[in-house]
Amino acid sequence: NAGVTQTPKFRVLKTGQSMTLLCAQDMNHEYMYWYRQDPGMGLRLIHYSVGEGTTAKGEVPDGYNVSRLKKQNFLLGLESAAPSQTSVYFCASSYLQVLNEQFFGPGTRLTVL
Amino acid sequence: GNSVTQMEGPVTLSEEAFLTINCTYTATGYPSLFWYVQYPGEGLQLLLKATKADDKGSNKGFEATYRKETTSFHLEKGSVQVSDSAVYFCALSDQAGGTSYGKLTFGQGTILTVHP
Repeated sequence: NAGVTQTPKFRVLKTGQSMTLLCAQDMNHEYMYWYRQDPGMGLRLIHYSVGEGTTAKGEVPDGYNVSRLKKQNFLLGLESAAPSQTSVYFCASSYLQVLNEQFFGPGTRLTVL
Repeated sequence: GNSVTQMEGPVTLSEEAFLTINCTYTATGYPSLFWYVQYPGEGLQLLLKATKADDKGSNKGFEATYRKETTSFHLEKGSVQVSDSAVYFCALSDQAGGTSYGKLTFGQGTILTVHP
């Protein structure tokens, strides 16, 4: 049981490049979330999904897109990376019945030059 | 909107010292409150939670009591260890209307360093 895994762990992009972050969970959780963590600002919700094939915007969705084609995977895309998107990105998941107890992945550290 | 405010950090303590990390919140309805911990190089883990006023959450020697009258959820531990060094996040989930979808609002985090 691997829990929540994220790929890649580190990435450096140039402004304007695109990339996709992959989150996978093997706990059969219905809900999945993408957060970004910036110094002094805690975690902020980017997008979330309440089930396969559904996604919704969080607090800071601009510049990101997501997809949940399979229940166990939640992808976060950056179409045209900007320096302001330099951050640590965390994926999380939770059971429908225990929504508040979220299980987090180890994070992806992204630097946009 | 919802918000969570934590005490400014970082906090540096000697082993066996008493720990308090303050957390206050603003929310509509009756939120659930949480403390998450992030150890170096890892993701966040749920440390403890409380779902209604006067509830006390506890885990691994840490405690926090949901105080509705002061809108607070301060984290305490009587005797910290070096292994407690981590970043601690206070968070809330507003269950009003049942449409929160488990979304959490986090505080900014408090870095705790414990020296031997």
